[in-house]
Amino acid sequence: NAGVTQTPKFRVLKTGQSMTLLCAQDMNHEYMYWYRQDPGMGLRLIHYSVGEGTTAKGEVPDGYNVSRLKKQNFLLGLESAAPSQTSVYFCASSPPGYNEQFFGPGTRLTVL
Amino acid sequence: SQQGEEDPQALSIQEGENATMNCSYKTSINNLQWYRQNSGRGLVHLILIRSNEREKHSGRLRVTLDTSKKSSSLLITASRAADTASYFCATEVSGGSYIPTFGRGTSLIVHP
Repeated sequence: NAGVTQTPKFRVLKTGQSMTLLCAQDMNHEYMYWYRQDPGMGLRLIHYSVGEGTTAKGEVPDGYNVSRLKKQNFLLGLESAAPSQTSVYFCASSPPGYNEQFFGPGTRLTVL
Repeated sequence: SQQGEEDPQALSIQEGENATMNCSYKTSINNLQWYRQNSGRGLVHLILIRSNEREKHSGRLRVTLDTSKKSSSLLITASRAADTASYFCATEVSGGSYIPTFGRGTSLIVHP
């Protein structure tokens, strides 16, 4: 099992450009999450999904959109990137209910 | 805002010593989890303790939970250089949506 994978691993964007980050999991988990991690801030939840076709906002959703068209994939989109979105992005998945999360390796995004 | 806050922010010890880090939270929880993050990697789940439990062990890890004080501690015994990492607590609020909230983490350095 590959677990949780993220594509790409690194990306540099110019302000105003758009991009999509892909998260895939092969554990048949219902729940999937997108976090951003900034120095000194820990992990902050951007959006999450509790099942195929559903999404919900987290703590810091502005400037991001998500889609969960297939159970195994969770996409994070930036429509018009801003320097404030420079961060490391982590995807995670978990079974429903109170359970541990499984994290991907992260995507390091720089917006110039 | 973070539900859980780790203390201290940074900890530096010698190999063989014990490392203790604490997590305080604000509202009633269903469970509390501890995660480890090695530099440049995703988070890895260490241990989950439910609100009706007071102590759990896993190898060299010991976690305690005091719901009256709204706090938890993670003890790593006989630390090794490989334990060097950041450690995060994550809490799931009672009556919430099963979505954990992460603290800012404790950075542990174990000197060989």
